[in-house]
Amino acid sequence: TQLLEQSPQFLSIQEGENLTVYCNSSSVFSSLQWYRQEPGEGPVLLVTVVTGGEVKKLKRLTFQFGDARKDSSLHITAAQTGDTGLYLCAGVNDMRFGAGTRLTVKP
Amino acid sequence: ETGVTQTPRHLVMGMTNKKSLKCEQHLGHNAMYWYKQSAKKPLELMFVYSLEERVENNSVPSRFSPECPNSSHLFLHLHTLQPEDSALYLCASSHTLGTGEGYGYTFGSGTRLTVV
Repeated sequence: TQLLEQSPQFLSIQEGENLTVYCNSSSVFSSLQWYRQEPGEGPVLLVTVVTGGEVKKLKRLTFQFGDARKDSSLHITAAQTGDTGLYLCAGVNDMRFGAGTRLTVKP
Repeated sequence: ETGVTQTPRHLVMGMTNKKSLKCEQHLGHNAMYWYKQSAKKPLELMFVYSLEERVENNSVPSRFSPECPNSSHLFLHLHTLQPEDSALYLCASSHTLGTGEGYGYTFGSGTRLTVV
């Protein structure tokens, strides 16, 4: 079992601000996934990152996989209230998730 | 109907009751999972089924009993629960055991369980 640590645990920002959240492990992952969970719903897959150093963009969301494949980050540009939710990372094939970053974007 | 469907959405039960949670997927996935999500803890993996065979049981108390009669259905039978078992119970499925590149877990909306 590979332990995933996410930071920060909580983040509250104003609409329009930028933010970055992190997912770190002492172990190497073959690939890693990010999910977003909105209140009252299950997590929904956002992206899978596979190659060390890879950067993937999904509209205002930018995902980066560390060169050593032990860490990943999610950067949101010009946050909107609709970005509010719990952001989770998971190691592919590990079936386990980090504790998540709970993001609140205020209008 | 597509996706993963969980019923009921909300459940209140006494400590002496017996109830069951149901999960159904019509995605053709071969693996199904039960997770527990509590307010103060991360997602906890409870049970894993692959092709209807249980492949993982994460030291879950025996008052939780899973059942997977076929690859589309998963149940969680509950018996003499404790108040600390109150949580959101999430069912998920995936194409194969674990998740492959580009695929992921598809989650249901969960059952919010309150034990009184």
